[in-house]
Amino acid sequence: AQSVSQHNHHVILSEAASLELGCNYSYGGTVNLFWYVQYPGQHLQLLLKYFSGDPLVKGIKGFEAEFIKSKFSFNLRKPSVQWSDTAEYFCAVSPLYNQGGKLIFGQGTELSVKP
Amino acid sequence: GAVVSQHPSRVICKSGTSVKIECRSLDFQATTMFWYRQFPKQSLMLMATSNEGSKATYEQGVEKDKFLINHASLTLSTLTVTSAHPEDSSFYICSARGTKDSPLHFGNGTRLTVT
Repeated sequence: AQSVSQHNHHVILSEAASLELGCNYSYGGTVNLFWYVQYPGQHLQLLLKYFSGDPLVKGIKGFEAEFIKSKFSFNLRKPSVQWSDTAEYFCAVSPLYNQGGKLIFGQGTELSVKP
Repeated sequence: GAVVSQHPSRVICKSGTSVKIECRSLDFQATTMFWYRQFPKQSLMLMATSNEGSKATYEQGVEKDKFLINHASLTLSTLTVTSAHPEDSSFYICSARGTKDSPLHFGNGTRLTVT
């Protein structure tokens, strides 16, 4: 069965530190990849997505992610985090065989940024 | 932008009663809606996929007679938890999309507590 693994459950950083959140998936076929963010008390929002083309994807708020097919990874990065980036981050995968587009989520990583 | 409204945001019910959760797309027609369940510190687990006008497709292990899903219109899907038990206490989240290639929009979720 397909699965998504996020390596870190809780990450604590100081402002201006660099961020990298790991995401690996298990599925041998072609996938679409997503990172979602959930700010405290709010709904899930799309940060960025990869469908095809350049494996380095840029999203909103200075986030980017790199798809490395050989490693089945889609790590999220940000060069300099801000306090407002405190949130929970979810990696998700959608196997292309599934035309319904359902997402398989990782368990999430809670990011706390200290001012 | 597109908004998905989920109601209620919190509900407390007694064991054995049924609870209905509504998911509405406010400014677009949602041909497909997804229902997820999230336990604390865990991933969003897809429960079912519902397409307007047809029966929902349930994920393995999800009891369709317990979690009744109705998607009677292009803007409304409901999830009814029948004969709720304390183990059904969880956070339920809906998401909706227009066409197959449209982005997914999430509701704010419903915190169900069964006493």
